[in-house]
Amino acid sequence: GQQLNQSPQSMFIQEGEDVSMNCTSSSIFNTWLWYKQDPGEGPVLLIALYKAGELTSNGRLTAQFGITRKDSFLNISASIPSDVGIYFCAGSGGTSYDKVIFGPGTSLSVIP
Amino acid sequence: DTGVSQNPRHKITKRGQNVTFRCDPISEHNRLYWYRQTLGQGPEFLTYFQNEAQLEKSRLLSDRFSAERPKGSFSTLEIQRTEQGDSAMYLCASSLNSGAGYTFGSGTRLTVV
Repeated sequence: GQQLNQSPQSMFIQEGEDVSMNCTSSSIFNTWLWYKQDPGEGPVLLIALYKAGELTSNGRLTAQFGITRKDSFLNISASIPSDVGIYFCAGSGGTSYDKVIFGPGTSLSVIP
Repeated sequence: DTGVSQNPRHKITKRGQNVTFRCDPISEHNRLYWYRQTLGQGPEFLTYFQNEAQLEKSRLLSDRFSAERPKGSFSTLEIQRTEQGDSAMYLCASSLNSGAGYTFGSGTRLTVV
């Protein structure tokens, strides 16, 4: 089945630094999604990407849908303590069609 | 609308007991999904409904697991004869259309002792 890989697995950064994380897939997706999960809560949608090459921003967050449709990245600028959490990339469409497949997550820690 | 609601938030049960979880989706959403998440992993798809019809079930969903959405509104997920390996966070999500980003509930944390 389709699998997603995320890198890095975890990150420790200083407050104010920019962050970049990547996601790659073994096969094509038609939609890429980025979620953030806080401890004990469900994931919250940050950005949705629907077209290859699309670059979308949401405040300090920027994400891109890779041209090959097999990858995506998420950048966070000027990190703040509340950015702490686990970031999941997810994809739908392709052979997964109606369901969303999640990556293993990138854990972000921000040092004040 | 208060979003996707899941009950209970936490459940501790003895091995071999049956448990049932409830999910109330966003009212206008026709699709409802169940996922399971273990520590350090991303959510894994279990099953989904469009209205009251269960359209897909993962191979992860053994015959001890059953899900229903009888009137196309709330859904229940039942696990029979629980095993320690069933310990996980069970997440429910809903959406209006396929392929759209889901809205997740806060999950039910199951611990089987």
